[in-house]
Amino acid sequence: AQSVTQLGSHVSVSEGALVLLRCNYSSSVPPYLFWYVQYPNQGLQLLLKYTSAATLVKGINGFEAEFKKSETSFHLTKPSAHMSDAAEYFCAVSAPAAGNKLTFGGGTRVLVKP
Amino acid sequence: DGGITQSPKYLFRKEGQNVTLSCEQNLNHDAMYWYRQDPGQGLRLIYYSQIVNDFQKGDIAEGYSVSREKKESFPLTVTSAQKNPTAFYLCASSIGASNQETQYFGPGTRLLVL
Repeated sequence: AQSVTQLGSHVSVSEGALVLLRCNYSSSVPPYLFWYVQYPNQGLQLLLKYTSAATLVKGINGFEAEFKKSETSFHLTKPSAHMSDAAEYFCAVSAPAAGNKLTFGGGTRVLVKP
Repeated sequence: DGGITQSPKYLFRKEGQNVTLSCEQNLNHDAMYWYRQDPGQGLRLIYYSQIVNDFQKGDIAEGYSVSREKKESFPLTVTSAQKNPTAFYLCASSIGASNQETQYFGPGTRLLVL
């Protein structure tokens, strides 16, 4: 079975500071990994995904994530936080044996301080 | 504009009542999904359908039912057997059922129990 752990249910950053959201996964086979963002009372929007083409993945809104197999991690970063980055972020994993069933982490809510 | 629509935005259920949440997509996607989101938790898969007239149970299917009679529609019924239905329900779709396909999400329906 696959699982996802997001460290920190809440993260507070200052505007202009680095955003780092942690995601660790477990999967018996090489997975595909996704980061989604959710604004209040809205659906999820894809930020980026890893499908084995390159370990450093660039996404929308200046976010990027690096797949590290040895650490089973897929942490999300953004060099400089903007007020509009305040939202909840979800890491998800999909493994070949699971079809396209996504397993989500518990989410990390980001607060951006001016 | 192509996308996924969910209705209603808010839905109230009385004790012992069945209610149906609508999900429609005009993206010509084969696969569709229903997720449940509870406060502070990630998304959990209720049902999914890889093709018309076929669907499978997800991780928390008890108390729910679905149908997939048309490619563009995947309604979810919350039955009276679901004892704790208050949650945010999200519908998603993907081009196919391969595990590297991106799932696109609708805006969600919030279900409340009176």
